[in-house]
Amino acid sequence: EAGVTQFPSHSVIEKGQTVTLRCDPISGHDNLYWYRRVMGKEIKFLLHFVKESKQDESGMPNNRFLAERTGGTYSTLKVQPAELEDSGVYFCASSQGTSLADTQYFGPGTRLTVL
Amino acid sequence: GEDVEQSLFLSVREGDSSVINCTYTDSSSTYLYWYKQEPGAGLQLLTYIFSNMDMKQDQRLTVLLNKKDKHLSLRIADTQTGDSAIYFCAERYSSASKIIFGSGTRLSIRP
Repeated sequence: EAGVTQFPSHSVIEKGQTVTLRCDPISGHDNLYWYRRVMGKEIKFLLHFVKESKQDESGMPNNRFLAERTGGTYSTLKVQPAELEDSGVYFCASSQGTSLADTQYFGPGTRLTVL
Repeated sequence: GEDVEQSLFLSVREGDSSVINCTYTDSSSTYLYWYKQEPGAGLQLLTYIFSNMDMKQDQRLTVLLNKKDKHLSLRIADTQTGDSAIYFCAERYSSASKIIFGSGTRLSIRP
């Protein structure tokens, strides 16, 4: 069974440009999460989808970030316009349910560098 | 409040035991986790412990939880070169689905 996949693995853009990250969760997982690790600091939660609905977006830093999950399958995270402080690794995770027994499976991450 | 802290680096000799420490602040945490990230790879769940447990052992891994001090540790016995990675301590409490991570401890193995 394929795990969580993310595309691209790396992205280098200039300040002010737009970047779209994609996450494909494990097939059948209704729950999809975005996290990011900035500047070698802690990994921080961004938001949580249940199917196509945003269940919790309390971690989204500002309105330059837009996450979507049309159809409840894959998700995209768009940063527009990108700023220097957006550089970091963006992780996606998915889980079948939301109980404590449901493991969140993480993808390899997308490393974003904003110059 | 939500805060998980751990030291940034640890260097051990191959064959020795590694002990990675973590402190957390949220007393309502229900699950505490250790994740491993190898270079170029995603986060791999290594092990977890319920907050009503004191210890969990899984082959070379031993997790100790001191609830009074809000201290979690991961001991890796007979550390091998393949154990080189970043280890993240994390917590989750029952009222939310998000996982709260520490900054990660980079474990390096010397011959």
